[in-house]
Amino acid sequence: GAVVSQHPSWVICKSGTSVKIECRSLDFQATTMFWYRQFPKQSLMLMATSNEGSKATYEQGVEKDKFLINHASLTLSTLTVTSAHPEDSSFYICSEVRPELGTRVSYNEQFFGPGTRLTVL
Amino acid sequence: RKEVEQDPGPFNVPEGATVAFNCTYSNSASQSFFWYRQDCRKEPKLLMSVYSSGNEDGRFTAQLNRASQYISLLIRDSKLSDSATYLCVVNRVSNFGNEKLTFGTGTRLTIIP
Repeated sequence: GAVVSQHPSWVICKSGTSVKIECRSLDFQATTMFWYRQFPKQSLMLMATSNEGSKATYEQGVEKDKFLINHASLTLSTLTVTSAHPEDSSFYICSEVRPELGTRVSYNEQFFGPGTRLTVL
Repeated sequence: RKEVEQDPGPFNVPEGATVAFNCTYSNSASQSFFWYRQDCRKEPKLLMSVYSSGNEDGRFTAQLNRASQYISLLIRDSKLSDSATYLCVVNRVSNFGNEKLTFGTGTRLTIIP
């Protein structure tokens, strides 16, 4: 079953409005969650790392004042796209990291939410 | 140069055939390697990890060549349900101490009946 949920799954908004996307860890206390963006026919691009109880760390080129991230609890991270414009239209996906014990090596597997498709008119 | 490079395809392959995808990565500090599968308009899902010694999971075989910074995925006896985009993914520790996944653009595979 799903381990990460996102809400809403899709949203259409007018240019200039703000949109909040929620990412929930369903059965795990995630101190770290990631936010990605994927434009059509392009790869997932990491936008920022969301850290519970502290500020998010943003990737180069991502405006922290435009993409506000809040990780107030171990099961919830939110991304707010402020003053959205048509060029912000994209597929936004969050993920959480869980340590997994593989058969040969341990590694941290990322589990992705189902994504939120944002369309800004 | 992109951190992770893949042939975008599309690969159109008849059912039952064997198909291979390749991927190269530029950062020699990369630590872990994965193949993810992404269906249209869905989130990526882990297909398999890739180990230096090579690993197999049913019809899927993954190989890693650290010296050449090259990763491959082989799918045998392809099924219609294998149609998807296959993402080559590389993991490394970022400057902030977090693990960071870098995705290739993906290779689109369509299995033809």
